[in-house]
Amino acid sequence: GDSVTQMEGPVTLSEEAFLTINCTYTATGYPSLFWYVQYPGEGLQLLLKATKADDKGSNKGFEATYRKETTSFHLEKGSVQVSDSAVYFCALRGKAAGNKLTFGGGTRVLVKP
Amino acid sequence: NAGVTQTPKFQVLKTGQSMTLQCAQDMNHNSMYWYRQDPGMGLRLIYYSASEGTTDKGEVPNGYNVSRLNKREFSLRLESAAPSQTSVYFCASIFGQEASYEQYFGPGTRLTVT
Repeated sequence: GDSVTQMEGPVTLSEEAFLTINCTYTATGYPSLFWYVQYPGEGLQLLLKATKADDKGSNKGFEATYRKETTSFHLEKGSVQVSDSAVYFCALRGKAAGNKLTFGGGTRVLVKP
Repeated sequence: NAGVTQTPKFQVLKTGQSMTLQCAQDMNHNSMYWYRQDPGMGLRLIYYSASEGTTDKGEVPNGYNVSRLNKREFSLRLESAAPSQTSVYFCASIFGQEASYEQYFGPGTRLTVT
């Protein structure tokens, strides 16, 4: 079945540092890929998505590129802020899964001033 | 436009008690989902409703029941709570297909079963 693996946290960074969160997936066919962010005490919000190979999703300074050859969708941001402290979830929507999303375990990011 | 709302925000139950978690969306979406979130395990699908009048089991349905009351509301019921059901519960509604697809999440209900 479909699965998503992302790096375990917590990831602790200083403000203005470069952030990378690795995400790899297993799925049949060509799934759509998503990054969701969860701020403390809140629900998940869509951060960015990519629906086909080589697509780059971007939002709020974050980027991720759909790499079919390495089955990866790594999240990056060049200069993090304290306000980026949150839990980040990688997810996929398999072609055979209807509307179902499969989530990774989440990566907690803490940005210190 | 409130999006997806959930009640209550917090709840403590004793083992064996029952309760219903409420979820409503005002975006006229057909599909609604219930997830539970446990540390290090991401979100796991409990039940979903593809449209009004239909419900289906997800990955972890045991110990839960659902009702799709109308297009707006989708409730989750714990008939006899167990400590293993201590978790954060999220409701979501689904919009779109393919490139426009997106799930909208509620703020969550934090449930503790003692």
